[in-house]
Amino acid sequence: IAGITQAPTSQTLAAGRRMTLRCTQDMRHNAMYWYRQDLGLGLRLIHYSNTAGTTGKGEVPDGYSVSRANTDDFPLTLASAVPSQTSVYFCASSASPGVVGREQFFGPGTRLTVL
Amino acid sequence: DAKTTQPNSMESNEEEPVHLPCNHSTISGTDYIHWYRQLPSQGPEYVIHGLTSNVNNRMASLAIAEDRKSSTLILHRATLRDAAVYYCILSSTGANNLFFGTGTRLTVIP
Repeated sequence: IAGITQAPTSQTLAAGRRMTLRCTQDMRHNAMYWYRQDLGLGLRLIHYSNTAGTTGKGEVPDGYSVSRANTDDFPLTLASAVPSQTSVYFCASSASPGVVGREQFFGPGTRLTVL
Repeated sequence: DAKTTQPNSMESNEEEPVHLPCNHSTISGTDYIHWYRQLPSQGPEYVIHGLTSNVNNRMASLAIAEDRKSSTLILHRATLRDAAVYYCILSSTGANNLFFGTGTRLTVIP
């Protein structure tokens, strides 16, 4: 069972470039999430999706967009990358929406550097 | 979401029990207590959660104070693989977000 896969593992790109981080889960989970993790700040939610076809904004959504065309995939797009978006990005999923009592499963992360 | 306070770091000897404390004095009646951990260079993984009663699972035990203003994650026998950052998180019913703080970095000494 793969669980959650993320691609690429790491990426360096120039400021102003467009970048899409990919996330795929094979657990048929309804809810998916994107977090970023910066040194000393813990993880912060960027966007979430409670079910295919719906998305919502998290704590730090500016500069990011998401789509949820199907259950399995939840790509995160940086339309015009800036250096402050240098971070480690984690995708997560849960069987149903809401965090209370529902285990979130996390992917291995994508390390993104914006120069 | 209510705030949690955890020590920045703790050490434990291998094969000894570990008690990781978490203070949450502003917890509300509907807040659940979650624990996640993050091993080096990996994404977080769920450990345990509870509301009022103590909870046990294959990974750990969660002891919740009677007034719910604090809780303790108990690892019964620490192994080297338990070295990680442990996060104590409060969430209410209907919330979509797990608010991760900076957690407690556990070092296990062989």
